[in-house]
Amino acid sequence: AQSVSQHNHHVILSEAASLELGCNYSYGGTVNLFWYVQYPGQHLQLLLKYFSGDPLVKGIKGFEAEFIKSKFSFNLRKPSVQWSDTAEYFCAVNGNNRLAFGKGNQVVVIP
Amino acid sequence: EAGVVQSPRYKIIEKKQPVAFWCNPISGHNTLYWYRQNLGQGPELLIRYENEEAVDDSQLPKDRFSAERLKGVDSTLKIQPAELGDSAVYLCASSLVGPGQGANEQFFGPGTRLTVL
Repeated sequence: AQSVSQHNHHVILSEAASLELGCNYSYGGTVNLFWYVQYPGQHLQLLLKYFSGDPLVKGIKGFEAEFIKSKFSFNLRKPSVQWSDTAEYFCAVNGNNRLAFGKGNQVVVIP
Repeated sequence: EAGVVQSPRYKIIEKKQPVAFWCNPISGHNTLYWYRQNLGQGPELLIRYENEEAVDDSQLPKDRFSAERLKGVDSTLKIQPAELGDSAVYLCASSLVGPGQGANEQFFGPGTRLTVL
């Protein structure tokens, strides 16, 4: 079964700072990769996904992620965060028709 | 378009009591998932339905948990009897997965926060 690792569970940064959240997974087969976001008081929603093609994926709200197959990684980035990016971010990997989530990164952006 | 609907949003029960959660997926979505999310963790799959068939229930604790998806639309998840460790958020998600397509984006409901006292 696949597993997903997310480090630095709590991230605090100021507006306009750059954000990078790491995601590493373990699964030997073909995977589909996702980042989900949960804003305070809201439900999980898709930020971006990778199925195939260009390993650099653009998502909503200025987020992007890069799939590096050799490193089993799918890191999320945003060059300049806003206060409204305060949320919990989950990396998820679908292998063998089962979606496995990481533990999440709680990101707080200070105005 | 309405999203995934879940009820109730919150439930507080005493241990050993039964509890049930209801989910209405997005119209037309053939695949439905139930997840459990413990505090500080990501969601963990309990069961996956393709239409009315449970195709992956290997992580469902079958001694006390049961689920059904009659007519391939709405679904209920039941716990009987509940234990203290069952306190968590129970999430329902749905997806439209085509033939031979292994996965697609999952749309999540707001969840039911269960507290077992």
